[in-house]
Amino acid sequence: QSVLTQPPSVSGAPGQRVTISCTGSSSNIGAGYDVHWYQQLPGTAPKLLIYGNSNRPSGVPDRFSGSKSGTSASLAITGLQAEDEADYYCQSYDSSLSGSRVFGTGTKVTVL
Amino acid sequence: QVQLVQSGAEVKKPGASVKVSCKASGYTFTSYYMHWVRQAPGQGLEWMGIINPSGGSTSYAQKFQGRVTMTRDTSTSTVYMELSSLRSEDTAVYYCARGGVPAAILSWFDPWGQGTLVTVSS
Repeated sequence: QSVLTQPPSVSGAPGQRVTISCTGSSSNIGAGYDVHWYQQLPGTAPKLLIYGNSNRPSGVPDRFSGSKSGTSASLAITGLQAEDEADYYCQSYDSSLSGSRVFGTGTKVTVL
Repeated sequence: QVQLVQSGAEVKKPGASVKVSCKASGYTFTSYYMHWVRQAPGQGLEWMGIINPSGGSTSYAQKFQGRVTMTRDTSTSTVYMELSSLRSEDTAVYYCARGGVPAAILSWFDPWGQGTLVTVSS
């Protein structure tokens, strides 16, 4: 069972802004551990989207941005495009689970 | 370019074991930790464990301890994940994923292998 909670789905029209929350606790995000985000297009392997809370790897459009505060983190997609329709996962480290890396429950983004 | 290429799909009977390989190229194999993550059909991502290709040390998620073994072969830049006592709930796509920063045990996962479907069925 995931210890990071995300909304099951979010949707928006092309051009709109959507945000995805990732809620943790004092043993993971709240303890200061970094949050990373991955995008998984249908039928493909996950791909790194944001690392270290708010950094974009080269090649990731600046429409994607990440932030972190307290025990939560967020991913924002501005100027939503059809190709952004995918599953998104947050990931961090949890000190209470014997060295475990943990993923969020995942969010399906639908472009209307 | 950095690439992780995994072995092909497997079909196993309950109680059997499966061994999945992940061959790395395009970087110094022993400089980056490697992780294994699985995804059951229609479900989310689940971290299984980590191996240090340099010395071979491992750390497994509590859920898999006793059933999973991760190894590496530095001569072929390949890591392996073996899961034993398979049950139907182990049906999933298994991914290898490299740590994002050299020698950093706490890091993001980048890149990922293409995935290996393991089906457990009688």
